[in-house]
Amino acid sequence: GAVVSQHPSWVICKSGTSVKIECRSLDFQATTMFWYRQFPKQSLMLMATSNEGSKATYEQGVEKDKFLINHASLTLSTLTVTSAHPEDSSFYICSAREGIVHEKLFFGSGTQLSVL
Amino acid sequence: AQTVTQSQPEMSVQEAETVTLSCTYDTSESDYYLFWYKQPPSRQMILVIRQEAYKQQNATENRFSVNFQKAAKSFSLKISDSQLGDAAMYFCATFGNEKLTFGTGTRLTIIP
Repeated sequence: GAVVSQHPSWVICKSGTSVKIECRSLDFQATTMFWYRQFPKQSLMLMATSNEGSKATYEQGVEKDKFLINHASLTLSTLTVTSAHPEDSSFYICSAREGIVHEKLFFGSGTQLSVL
Repeated sequence: AQTVTQSQPEMSVQEAETVTLSCTYDTSESDYYLFWYKQPPSRQMILVIRQEAYKQQNATENRFSVNFQKAAKSFSLKISDSQLGDAAMYFCATFGNEKLTFGTGTRLTIIP
């Protein structure tokens, strides 16, 4: 099956610093990528949807200036958590859709962010 | 808008037995897809089974099958011959209007 690579797997950073998370589709072109956030023992909450070459669409309540999403190519999307604070500590997961086929959604392995 | 409800936070089943996980959903979309995902302790999301809403026939994948009741907006997952490796969080999800919406999950424990 298709592979989505997400890096890093985990990151620890100091409060006030920025962290970049990468999501790559290794063997297919991802026209759309999705970013989710998952708190411990909770469900995945959609943060934003990004389409290659255009601005991301953020869900209500998600701060655009804090969570910067860039989808510069058909195989790479990045999420940058700017000026991270302890409350941003969470598990972040990306998923990529191959083409326009609805059911061809593939997930990355996630990134655990811990802000000290 | 889409919502997905999983009313069973936790379920347990004896190894080799059958268990059914419940899911109801609501959507205003006429074209949508339904999924069950498994999330083991590694937290990697693994697709278990998918169902196209326009298909009446219930999807089946080996030991996993669904009971799709479109009018009732119900999409339950049946796991037959439960195995220790089936232990995980199971999330029901619906994809419509370019969004994948998840339920709150059901933690499945397999009793040896």
